[in-house]
Amino acid sequence: EPEVTQTPSHQVTQMGQEVILRCVPISNHLYFYWYRQILGQKVEFLVSFYNNEISEKSEIFDDQFSVERPDGSNFTLKIRSTKLEDSAMYFCASSDGGRLGTASGTVEADTQYFGPGTRLTVL
Amino acid sequence: AQRVTQPEKLLSVFKGAPVELKCNYSYSGSPELFWYVQYSRQRLQLLLRHISRESIKGFTADLNKGETSFHLKKPFAQEEDSAMYYCALSTGTASKLTFGTGTRLQVTL
Repeated sequence: EPEVTQTPSHQVTQMGQEVILRCVPISNHLYFYWYRQILGQKVEFLVSFYNNEISEKSEIFDDQFSVERPDGSNFTLKIRSTKLEDSAMYFCASSDGGRLGTASGTVEADTQYFGPGTRLTVL
Repeated sequence: AQRVTQPEKLLSVFKGAPVELKCNYSYSGSPELFWYVQYSRQRLQLLLRHISRESIKGFTADLNKGETSFHLKKPFAQEEDSAMYYCALSTGTASKLTFGTGTRLQVTL
């Protein structure tokens, strides 16, 4: 079964450094997402991406963050100048947007599939 | 703005006992509700989605729009059910997921 993959699994960086977190979504998916989870807190949405542009972003996703789909398979999250509070688990997710059935009119829910996460530690 | 509430951080039950993980939501429109599970050191995995009305690994969840709830239930807990469970809400196709804080289910012998 295809899975979302993420690299690296753990990234340690110094405050102020740039980091790039990489994700390979499921191959036929068109919608891509980044979430993060600070230790002990809930999973929070950062950004969604479709058709080579950002669809939605949260308040967390400020000018220090950017996303890119540099080729047909990778989806990256860049943090330009990391802060201590950026330390978190970052999850990538992808979805195919769901399906509308024809004869029956049923809808298959748009389901997001998650990668294993990258643990980012900012020192 | 939408919100998902999971009131219990930890739920500890004995093997064979019934399980109910609570989830309440607030959203003015028609939400799509999901349960995700995260086993130790593994990724978030979809367990259930309300629109499919399915039962996975013995778990079921019914969307109650009157009570704005989507509680997860299983009649007989198994040791392998021990994990972190997250309730999540989407407002539609290709929309972000809003997660609850999660409930850790601990099944003991």
